[in-house]
Amino acid sequence: SQTIHQWPATLVQPVGSPLSLECTVEGTSNPNLYWYRQAAGRGLQLLFYSVGIGQISSEVPQNLSASRPQDRQFILSSKKLLLSDSGFYLCAWSVGGAKNIQYFGAGTRLSVL
Amino acid sequence: QQPVQSPQAVILREGEDAVINCSSSKALYSVHWYRQKHGEAPVFLMILLKGGEQKGHDKISASFNEKKQQSSLYLTASQLSYSGTYFCGTFKNTGFQKLVFGTGTRLLVSP
Repeated sequence: SQTIHQWPATLVQPVGSPLSLECTVEGTSNPNLYWYRQAAGRGLQLLFYSVGIGQISSEVPQNLSASRPQDRQFILSSKKLLLSDSGFYLCAWSVGGAKNIQYFGAGTRLSVL
Repeated sequence: QQPVQSPQAVILREGEDAVINCSSSKALYSVHWYRQKHGEAPVFLMILLKGGEQKGHDKISASFNEKKQQSSLYLTASQLSYSGTYFCGTFKNTGFQKLVFGTGTRLLVSP
């Protein structure tokens, strides 16, 4: 069966510090991968998605970037965090196709202070 | 375009029913429904693909109207475990890669 791992679960970082969040998927090949952000009490905002190694589509211009160095690995990064980067970051995977059901990791709660 | 959900929030007593609506100004290719419990990740509930389709999952069911511009989620005889935020989702592009989630509906079921 497929599983998705996301870490760390919580993170507290000072403003201006770098960020690296990692997500890996097991049990499937060539998944679509996604990064979402959710502000407290708000909806899900798609940040990046990838349909293959090295292929990244950005949805929202910001100081975040994403990379997919391996088929089942997706990394979210920032060189300098802003206060507004605080939130709940969720990685998701799907097999694509017309249904494209997305399965989410447990999430990382990021607090930028 | 982000789908609009209504109501924004609803409070129920255990055993009561609720309906959550998801609407769009344009016809949708499909509608996904997810539930997110507090502090957890969203979990997929069901997907509707065809106009007029109805689908059930335990005491939670959903419908997709003929024009494919509205979907409703029905929660029957609600249980405490139904509490959470419900999101509908639809594809932003014809490539079926980008899922746009609705505004969300918070549901609280009390004893």
